[in-house]
Amino acid sequence: DAGVIQSPRHEVTEMGQEVTLRCKPISGHNSLFWYRQTMMRGLELLIYFNNNVPIDDSGMPEDRFSAKMPNASFSTLKIQPSEPRDSAVYFCASSLAGVRGFGPGTRLTVL
Amino acid sequence: GDSVTQMEGPVTLSEEAFLTINCTYTATGYPSLFWYVQYPGEGLQLLLKATKADDKGSNKGFEATYRKETTSFHLEKGSVQVSDSAVYFCALSDSGGYNKLIFGAGTRLAVHP
Repeated sequence: DAGVIQSPRHEVTEMGQEVTLRCKPISGHNSLFWYRQTMMRGLELLIYFNNNVPIDDSGMPEDRFSAKMPNASFSTLKIQPSEPRDSAVYFCASSLAGVRGFGPGTRLTVL
Repeated sequence: GDSVTQMEGPVTLSEEAFLTINCTYTATGYPSLFWYVQYPGEGLQLLLKATKADDKGSNKGFEATYRKETTSFHLEKGSVQVSDSAVYFCALSDSGGYNKLIFGAGTRLAVHP
């Protein structure tokens, strides 16, 4: 079985550009989570979905961040416009009944 | 709200030394507790878990016991190896039904030959 798939694995962009991170959860999982990892703040939960519906987005740092889950097999996290302080590793995770998997992460660098 | 506190790193040990990484939690309800490991340049892997009080999770020589009375879930290993060098995260899963994980800050472990 494939695990959580994230793309791209690495993204380098310039300040002000739009960035879209993608996630394909494990088939059959009904919850999806986006995390951000930085040296300063550790692992932060940004937003999570259940059955494609956003449940809690209180962790989204600013209005520049948005996330969607148009169907059970795909989610995006978008940053527009991006800023250097958004540089981090972004992880996607999915779960079903306590069984969860993490993606390999997308390392974002905003210059 | 729910939170996890773990000891600050880095923890530096010699090979075959005993490891303890402390973790305490604050939660309403009855959370499940986890230790995740992140090797350099990689994502998070589940190391072990415990779902109720007095449960002991174990894997790869690591173990942790869910202590409700002290709200703790300390990670231990009797003899560490260089290959154990990684960042270790303690986490809890709330009982709210969505299984969201709340992580501690992470503890970096460096094991030297």
